[in-house]
Amino acid sequence: GAVVSQHPSWVICKSGTSVKIECRSLDFQATTMFWYRQFPKQSLMLMATSNEGSKATYEQGVEKDKFLINHASLTLSTLTVTSAHPEDSSFYICSASNLGENNSPLHFGNGTRLTVT
Amino acid sequence: AQSVTQPDIHITVSEGASLELRCNYSYGATPYLFWYVQSPGQGLQLLLKYFSGDTLVQGIKGFEAEFKRSQSSFNLRKPSVHWSDAAEYFCAVGSYSGGGADGLTFGKGTHLIIQP
Repeated sequence: GAVVSQHPSWVICKSGTSVKIECRSLDFQATTMFWYRQFPKQSLMLMATSNEGSKATYEQGVEKDKFLINHASLTLSTLTVTSAHPEDSSFYICSASNLGENNSPLHFGNGTRLTVT
Repeated sequence: AQSVTQPDIHITVSEGASLELRCNYSYGATPYLFWYVQSPGQGLQLLLKYFSGDTLVQGIKGFEAEFKRSQSSFNLRKPSVHWSDAAEYFCAVGSYSGGGADGLTFGKGTHLIIQP
């Protein structure tokens, strides 16, 4: 089945530094990938839609200069949390839809736990 | 704007008993509906989805869900739960535009506890 891989699965960084999270579709091509954020014991909130070869579309309230998204190929999207602060600590999950499958459901990665100290 | 309501934050069920998790949605057009399961610290696993056709949808791990347009509901059921079913369950609604999927809107989740 369709597999989405996220890396790293967890990361600890110091306040003020930047962290890059990768999302890869391993066995399918995805024009569009999505980035979600999940606070402890909360639901997932869509942050942005990542489109291959074009600028990402951010949801209202999400700072695009803080959460940089790059979708350089049909199998890779990256989320960079710039100048991270403790309030950015969260669980970040990506998802992707299979181009080759009509009405494909979104397949999710296993998430990245970010802790900013 | 679309929205999803999961009215039960926690549900406790005895092992072997039946289960129903409730989900109500608000969406202007025909919705695409999903149920996902999440174990602690993990990503989401798709249990089942409804796009069109038969309103009773079969999924993995013995789960099923029924789409009821008149009630704007998509409740998840399982006839006999196992201890391994303990997890967080999310109902989600989505749409497709321009030939591709849009991001999903999730409910707040229902935490399922299985009693021995």
